[in-house]
Amino acid sequence: QTVVTQEPSLTVSPGGTVTLTCASSTGAVASNYYPNWFQQKPGQAPRALIYSTSNKHSWTPARFSGSLLGGKAALTLSGVQPEDEADYYCLLSYGGAWVFGGGTKLTVL
Amino acid sequence: EVQLVESGGGLVQPGGSLRLSCEASGFTFSISWMHWVRQAPGKGLVWVSRIKSDGSDTTYADSVKGRFTISRDNTKNTLYLQMNSLRAEDTAVYYCAKGAAPVNWGQGTLVTVSS
Repeated sequence: QTVVTQEPSLTVSPGGTVTLTCASSTGAVASNYYPNWFQQKPGQAPRALIYSTSNKHSWTPARFSGSLLGGKAALTLSGVQPEDEADYYCLLSYGGAWVFGGGTKLTVL
Repeated sequence: EVQLVESGGGLVQPGGSLRLSCEASGFTFSISWMHWVRQAPGKGLVWVSRIKSDGSDTTYADSVKGRFTISRDNTKNTLYLQMNSLRAEDTAVYYCAKGAAPVNWGQGTLVTVSS
């Protein structure tokens, strides 16, 4: 069974920078895993932020960026805002099936 | 504007069945891949299934394979999830989502499996 692993929680100060990562139990994450990133706030549906590693949707704030880093997919928030406090999920493709990571709870403090 | 509205959730006994629907509007449904994703109370997102635009290709998570069936009616702009042999661990909010990877999401419908 494929497992996708994220940091359970991270804390960042307003205005700071934080990087969330997404690892696969099958090995290094590459572009053909088509990493996606989602933000979810309490009581709301998830919102897509990043697709295919580093591409932003039209609504994605410029402070969010995606990349591959050290064999993992990564989401970097630069100039963090209080409204960025949320759960963040990565999603990887495995030849047609998809698997979400367990999520990272980001606290802005 | 893309709109996805799920319905059909509710309380069902273990071993029972339920069919979820997702009514789509604001985009060309017949050319869009669609997904179902679920989230148990207080837990993370779990990808469930996806279906190609014409219904010819479907994929499932191992946890639901053989019990759940995804389908669509492009004449009605509607996505379905037939859920059989339901278990307590299937209790979750079920979201439908549009895209090759999920991009646009509905607000979800709650399925509770309990006796």
